[in-house]
Amino acid sequence: AQSVTQPDIHITVSEGASLELRCNYSYGATPYLFWYVQSPGQGLQLLLKYFSGDTLVQGIKGFEAEFKRSQSSFNLRKPSVHWSDAAEYFCAVGPDNFNKFYFGSGTKLNVKP
Amino acid sequence: GAGVSQTPSNKVTEKGKYVELRCDPISGHTALYWYRQSLGQGPEFLIYFQGTGAADDSGLPNDRFFAVRPEGSVSTLKIQRTERGDSAVYLCASSPGTSVGDTQYFGPGTRLTVL
Repeated sequence: AQSVTQPDIHITVSEGASLELRCNYSYGATPYLFWYVQSPGQGLQLLLKYFSGDTLVQGIKGFEAEFKRSQSSFNLRKPSVHWSDAAEYFCAVGPDNFNKFYFGSGTKLNVKP
Repeated sequence: GAGVSQTPSNKVTEKGKYVELRCDPISGHTALYWYRQSLGQGPEFLIYFQGTGAADDSGLPNDRFFAVRPEGSVSTLKIQRTERGDSAVYLCASSPGTSVGDTQYFGPGTRLTVL
C-alpha cells in the first residue's frame, strides 16, 4: 500500500540555522513526490516536486529536496531558516490510479528568534 | 488571478443534519479534488473529478458522502446525517488536468464542526 511517513511531528530551529525535514514513502512504482507548506488559515502551497531526472530538486523560498531511491526518502532542506518559515510541512506521494495522492501527517516547524 | 475558493470557511452543525460545502476552482482547471484533513493529520483523498465526472471516488468514507460537479467547474461536497467524526477541515484543490502529477492548487478549506 502507498504511504508516507514524516517521523518528526514538531521541530524547533533557531533563525538562521539549517533545516532538514524527513520524509519516507512506500510506493509500488516510481513515485511522484511533493512537499507542501501550510500556514495557519492558508491553503497548502507547493514548495517543490520531483518526477524524474536530477535527484536534487530546487523549490520556492530557498527550499530543496533530495530523492534517494535506496532509502525511499525525499527529505526537505533549507540552509538558513527565516522566522517566516514557521508553518506545517507535508510530504506527499502519488499518484495511485493516475490521480490519488497520499500525504504524510505533517511536521510543524517552529523558528526561535 | 483568483485562486481556489471555498465556502463557507466555517460550518457548525448538529449531529444528524445535512451540509453542503462548495468549491470554486481556478478557471479552466478540469481536475478537481476533495480532501479531508483531521486534526493532526495530513490531507486524506476523498474524490477526484475530471470535468463533470467523478473519475475516482474511492476515498469517500461511506454513502453519506457525495460530491457533484455538474458543469465541470464548481463542485459541492454533500454530507448527509452528519456525525461527530465528520468534524474536520475539508480541502478542495484544482489542477489543469493535462498530465499526471500536475500541480494541485489548494483552497483555504472549510472547517466543519459537528456538535
